[in-house]
Amino acid sequence: ETGVTQSPTHLIKTRGQQVTLRCSSQSGHNTVSWYQQALGQGPQFIFQYYREEENGRGNFPPRFSGLQFPNYSSELNVNALELDDSALYLCASSSQGKGNEQFFGPGTRLTVL
Amino acid sequence: AQSVTQLGSHVSVSEGALVLLRCNYSSSVPPYLFWYVQYPNQGLQLLLKYTTGATLVKGINGFEAEFKKSETSFHLTKPSAHMSDAAEYFCAVIPRAYDKVIFGPGTSLSVIP
Repeated sequence: ETGVTQSPTHLIKTRGQQVTLRCSSQSGHNTVSWYQQALGQGPQFIFQYYREEENGRGNFPPRFSGLQFPNYSSELNVNALELDDSALYLCASSSQGKGNEQFFGPGTRLTVL
Repeated sequence: AQSVTQLGSHVSVSEGALVLLRCNYSSSVPPYLFWYVQYPNQGLQLLLKYTTGATLVKGINGFEAEFKKSETSFHLTKPSAHMSDAAEYFCAVIPRAYDKVIFGPGTSLSVIP
């Protein structure tokens, strides 16, 4: 059974640029959630995708957007990068259902200069 | 809004001593409850979870947690700390109305030889 994978591992961008982060779900999972973890803080929910549609969103501006593909993999896109976007971005996959465990990938470390 | 608090951003214990990490949630309806561990530069790993049934939950690596509805708490314990337990620990909840995971701010555990 393949776990959740994310790419790239690390990324450095400058203010104003755009970035795309990728996530491959664990086999059998149809739901993907994205989280932002700033240094020294707990992860904050960005949004969740289920069957290729957004299924809930946290308190993040529209320049944070996502996609889920038919194979349940997912992308997180961030436009007009700001310094405060520097963080670890975590992807988690799960089966749809209340309280189901989310399995996390290793994360992508984004640094905005 | 749901929130999760973890008392003590940093806890130090001696090797072999009891580990106690505190977690309280704010909700009139008990949510699903989780503890995750994060080692440096890694993603999140599930230690244990409570969804229903027995209120004392056993997890991996000798950890356990007890759900106390009257205290809205889900404290994590381990009888004897090992050096390998040094990591960041996050308490998390999933409100029963939806699937978004809400994380606490985390507690950094140090184990002193």
